[in-house]
Amino acid sequence: NAGVTQTPKFQVLKTGQSMTLQCAQDMNHNSMYWYRQDPGMGLRLIYYSASEGTTDKGEVPNGYNVSRLNKREFSLRLESAAPSQTSVYFCASKGPLMPPQHFGDGTRLSIL
Amino acid sequence: KQEVTQIPAALSVPEGENLVLNCSFTDSAIYNLQWFRQDPGKGLTSLLLIQSSQREQTSGRLNASLDKSSGRSTLYIAASQPGDSATYLCAVSGNNAGNMLTFGGGTRLMVKP
Repeated sequence: NAGVTQTPKFQVLKTGQSMTLQCAQDMNHNSMYWYRQDPGMGLRLIYYSASEGTTDKGEVPNGYNVSRLNKREFSLRLESAAPSQTSVYFCASKGPLMPPQHFGDGTRLSIL
Repeated sequence: KQEVTQIPAALSVPEGENLVLNCSFTDSAIYNLQWFRQDPGKGLTSLLLIQSSQREQTSGRLNASLDKSSGRSTLYIAASQPGDSATYLCAVSGNNAGNMLTFGGGTRLMVKP
């Protein structure tokens, strides 16, 4: 069972570079989410997509854009990376009724 | 704005001990509360989910309780084992579009053999 798959697993960028983080789920879930996790701060929601064709801002959307390409895929784009965006990024998905959210293994992103 | 706090931030115990992890939240208007486990370098795995109308949930050696009125939840781990070593995260969901989760900072647990 693949579940939620994130690529890449690790990435190092220079300030100002752009990058797209990919996420795909094979559980036919409607809702998908992007979080960032920083030390001691738990996970914070960046953007979410309640269903195919819709996206909404979460708690910390500045500096990011998202695309819900189809029901399976939800990508996160950094247009001009900044050191403050160094973090671990998690994608999650959820079915139409009950939780929980299912998480990928994360993308560890460092911006120099 | 909902805020979730977990105490302690880190905990080290000898194998076999029973232990309690604490979670508090500021807004009692929650839809549900979830406890997750996170292993190093991995994503989150859901352990227990308590709906707002429930008081507790149990799974094996784990028991989670919810007191919505006081804004508190506890995760009780019985007879701890080295394999329980991980970070435990608490998250609450409001009754909002997308069922967004607000996470606590986690408790990093180490169980020593």
